[in-house]
Amino acid sequence: AQTVTQSQPEMSVQEAETVTLSCTYDTSESDYYLFWYKQPPSRQMILVIRQEAYKQQNATENRFSVNFQKAAKSFSLKISDSQLGDAAMYFCAFNSGNTPLVFGKGTRLSVIA
Amino acid sequence: EAGVAQSPRYKIIEKRQSVAFWCNPISGHATLYWYQQILGQGPKLLIQFQNNGVVDDSQLPKDRFSAERLKGVDSTLKIQPAKLEDSAVYLCASSPDPGQRGRGYTFGSGTRLTVV
Repeated sequence: AQTVTQSQPEMSVQEAETVTLSCTYDTSESDYYLFWYKQPPSRQMILVIRQEAYKQQNATENRFSVNFQKAAKSFSLKISDSQLGDAAMYFCAFNSGNTPLVFGKGTRLSVIA
Repeated sequence: EAGVAQSPRYKIIEKRQSVAFWCNPISGHATLYWYQQILGQGPKLLIQFQNNGVVDDSQLPKDRFSAERLKGVDSTLKIQPAKLEDSAVYLCASSPDPGQRGRGYTFGSGTRLTVV
């Protein structure tokens, strides 16, 4: 069974600074996808960024980028130039084949003005 | 495109009562998911539908939970009777097709259930 581990329950960052959220996963699959979702107090899960396992190049979306280390089964999220609106719960998620998304326990990010 | 709609947004019930949640996915999305998110944890899959058929309900507590997806569109999730440990946010999500899994899912805003 696939598992996703987020070892940082809470993180904080100063506004305009950079923060990195960690995620590791376990799978025997070779073809899979990884995601970072943001969940603000409104509760709606918002897709931040995704990575295909077969792609070596790390995905980037504006201020958000990932460091994907396939051999180490690591998938960290870097947020640059942090903004107050980035404060939320962040969830790392995994799926493969027809297996639905499996989520980690989440990291609560606080942004300090 | 319109998002995934869920109702109600909040619900408070007493233990042993019944409750139902409703979800309307994005038009044309064949696959629908119900997730349970207990406070402080990540979402956990309860059930997956492909059109109006169940693909995976291995995590659904079938003695008290039931779900259906009529005509492959809207879906309802029911709990009867509710227990205190059912207090959670119930999230509905949809995706175009399992084969397009790399696109991720679109989630609704969820229903927060409190059982007292």
